[in-house]
Amino acid sequence: AAGVIQSPRHLIKEKRETATLKCYPIPRHDTVYWYQQGPGQDPQFLISFYEKMQSDKGSIPDRFSAQQFSDYHSELNMSSLELGDSALYFCASSLRQGGTEAFFGQGTRLTVV
Amino acid sequence: AQSVAQPEDQVNVAEGNPLTVKCTYSVSGNPYLFWYVQYPNRGLQFLLKYITGDNLVKGSYGFEAEFNKSQTSFHLKKPSALVSDSALYFCAVRGPSMDTGRRALTFGSGTRLQVQP
Repeated sequence: AAGVIQSPRHLIKEKRETATLKCYPIPRHDTVYWYQQGPGQDPQFLISFYEKMQSDKGSIPDRFSAQQFSDYHSELNMSSLELGDSALYFCASSLRQGGTEAFFGQGTRLTVV
Repeated sequence: AQSVAQPEDQVNVAEGNPLTVKCTYSVSGNPYLFWYVQYPNRGLQFLLKYITGDNLVKGSYGFEAEFNKSQTSFHLKKPSALVSDSALYFCAVRGPSMDTGRRALTFGSGTRLQVQP
């Protein structure tokens, strides 16, 4: 079965650079979530989209932005990168119906040097 | 606001013994509860969920969890642990809403399960 696809899997950037992470949800899933997991931390919710509109907003810094496109894929844009942005970034997708579980991608490991 | 507590950073158990990973939650209204497992440098894999119905829910790889509303708990259990079960386990909660498919999960801090041969 198709899963959530994230690219790239690994990314190394320098401070103050920008990065774009991509997420391709499971086909027919209409909701996408972005999470950030720092070393030894639990995943922290950043932002979510439903039907290409922002749905919920969590602890996403102002330096980050995201959007969901007409084909339901989503991109997380990160600017003015800081060392503290180094983390594993997960994308998850789900269906609109209540109670459905979210399926997670493998994550993108971002290292800021 | 919704929250999840996993009181144990690590649980050690011998292979073949039963295991329990504890989770308590706080949410307004009836909760949707989930367990995920994470292997090193991997994404989160869904194990099981409680939405409504029987308090004992069965999931993947022989895991089950018991929902206890009075104790606001959702402990993960397995009758006989395997070495391959060693991983990081996250409990998560999502509060009910008119459109719960849009609600994000709140995760606990995770519990590392170590199963010794």
